[in-house]
Amino acid sequence: GAGVSQSPSNKVTEKGKDVELRCDPISGHTALYWYRQSLGQGLEFLIYFQGNSAPDKSGLPSDRFSAERTGGSVSTLTIQRTQQEDSAVYLCASSFLAGGPHEQYFGPGTRLTVT
Amino acid sequence: QKEVEQDPGPLSVPEGAIVSLNCTYSNSAFQYFMWYRQYSRKGPELLMYTYSSGNKEDGRFTAQVDKSSKYISLFIRDSQPSDSATYLCAMSDGGTSYGKLTFGQGTILTVHP
Repeated sequence: GAGVSQSPSNKVTEKGKDVELRCDPISGHTALYWYRQSLGQGLEFLIYFQGNSAPDKSGLPSDRFSAERTGGSVSTLTIQRTQQEDSAVYLCASSFLAGGPHEQYFGPGTRLTVT
Repeated sequence: QKEVEQDPGPLSVPEGAIVSLNCTYSNSAFQYFMWYRQYSRKGPELLMYTYSSGNKEDGRFTAQVDKSSKYISLFIRDSQPSDSATYLCAMSDGGTSYGKLTFGQGTILTVHP
């Protein structure tokens, strides 16, 4: 079956512009996670969705970052007024709500470059 | 000090070698221990997972967890060029943190023919 998909696969934007990154989880997966992977910091947790609500936003690095999820499916991560330090690969993962931590399936990521 | 420390390498070995990858951690609440493999420009894929302490074997791969030392290892036997990838350890305390994963930095492995 289809895995987690993310779009765009690559995004180049100018500093100060807003960007939207999209994640389509595996059908039926109610839990959704966003992570960020950068050279200096490795892979870091950003936010977790349970259905359409986000009980854990503790990893969002600043108020320029926000995310939403609609219909318990698609999620969008928005970065406002992008900075060069936002350049990274943004990964999305999904799982069944009752699944264990090892049952998260990752998408291929969106590679964001801020010039 | 990061919660999970992993030697980033890079590690270069000849085909057929035994590879040892390691992570240490500081959070004693971690109960789930995972190893992911990540090829270039791809998302991480789960290789092995262990709940609590102990060993687990799957083909050429063996995962070990020593909770008393807060140390986990992944061994790859008879390494193949196709094993060349970045290996990430990841941990979770399970339910209290909604299963969110805390990762090591990743170790870049190259197996040359």
